[in-house]
Amino acid sequence: SQQGEEDPQALSIQEGENATMNCSYKTSINNLQWYRQNSGRGLVHLILIRSNEREKHSGRLRVTLDTSKKSSSLLITASRAADTASYFCATVPQNFVFGPGTRLSVLP
Amino acid sequence: DTAVSQTPKYLVTQMGNDKSIKCEQNLGHDTMYWYKQDSKKFLKIMFSYNNKELIINETVPNRFSPKSPDKAHLNLHINSLELGDSAVYFCASSQGQSYSNQPQHFGDGTRLSIL
Repeated sequence: SQQGEEDPQALSIQEGENATMNCSYKTSINNLQWYRQNSGRGLVHLILIRSNEREKHSGRLRVTLDTSKKSSSLLITASRAADTASYFCATVPQNFVFGPGTRLSVLP
Repeated sequence: DTAVSQTPKYLVTQMGNDKSIKCEQNLGHDTMYWYKQDSKKFLKIMFSYNNKELIINETVPNRFSPKSPDKAHLNLHINSLELGDSAVYFCASSQGQSYSNQPQHFGDGTRLSIL
């Protein structure tokens, strides 16, 4: 059964702008992970946030987690053309389905 | 060195044929997975093996048979291929138990096209 679901499905921004995408899930989790998929490639792990954490940073990435609302957001600051990809969230336990993801297009 | 490698990258074949996809990981991970990504980009788990033992077997036709000769390899054999099997198949691995707190490392996928 599907757990994490991303929103919006597509996002188009200019280089240098910030991009925010959201993930909603249904049941209790141990942690939530964000992945990126470039066209024609496999998923790449970006960041993991545990259920007892509210915010986490990694370089230009900022992830928040609100367990009361069962939602997470991924913020990419100062976006670059190379950030163009699909972004997926995954929850532990029981994320047997990823997707459909947020397709981010960063225009030069 | 590629961490999770799967071969072939592309596979084009006729309906009814039998084919295999191979996956190898050099990360020393205990758990390996097979996923199917459909045209709408949903990535769905098919199988998970931990130390050569089948842990997860989602609702997949029995035409699909995984084989793990050792914990670094998880191959996928598909019998009597059907049009609906056309998709991208991804292999992944992670440390520890299936769906633990460890991130998964993915291969680049095998694009299977059934004619």
